[in-house]
Amino acid sequence: DAKTTQPTSMDCAEGRAANLPCNHSTISGNEYVYWYRQIHSQGPQYIIHGLKNNETNEMASLIITEDRKSSTLILPHATLRDTAVYYCIVRLPSGTGTASKLTFGTGTRLQVTL
Amino acid sequence: DGGITQSPKYLFRKEGQNVTLSCEQNLNHDAMYWYRQDPGQGLRLIYYSQIVNDFQKGDIAEGYSVSREKKESFPLTVTSAQKNPTAFYLCASSKDRANYGYTFGSGTRLTVV
Repeated sequence: DAKTTQPTSMDCAEGRAANLPCNHSTISGNEYVYWYRQIHSQGPQYIIHGLKNNETNEMASLIITEDRKSSTLILPHATLRDTAVYYCIVRLPSGTGTASKLTFGTGTRLQVTL
Repeated sequence: DGGITQSPKYLFRKEGQNVTLSCEQNLNHDAMYWYRQDPGQGLRLIYYSQIVNDFQKGDIAEGYSVSREKKESFPLTVTSAQKNPTAFYLCASSKDRANYGYTFGSGTRLTVV
């Protein structure tokens, strides 16, 4: 699976948009980009994923560059409850369309402040 | 509601004892996974299973064992051979498709004294 690079930490004021970048310059054409977050001492929570197109759901938006070498997770109106570690992961189908395992890095620690 | 359940939430064991962590899901997911997390670190894959009665080693399988006798269950045994077993253990499940996310349990914090 392709490697990802994320900043170690970021701060965001409550109510503002939080933009979390991720570089995945070695991504291959059929690898998906996934985002998860982990609030302290809990299991990671799925946020969003995409392949080529930008995606939006009730939690966040995912912007993937045209060359797919980087992406940005956007939390449009960050709240204190969004304080967490955010993981960007690329996931390759294991060969027959079935899933390969997810490999987690150390993520970005987002601190939302008043 | 469907979900994935890990038990117990906290577990204490004496050094040299084997211990089994439970993971049950009622999501009808094919694949199940065990991860280990140490303080300030990301998750590392221990074992995973894509189908009943089959499983594969992850990146740090030494000192651990698993079974997958039922689709719903994927217990993890931490054996006495695991040199540093104190950690936070997370179980996850997923449909076995690349465009399907994982659902994680709430974790078991194992402390070996």
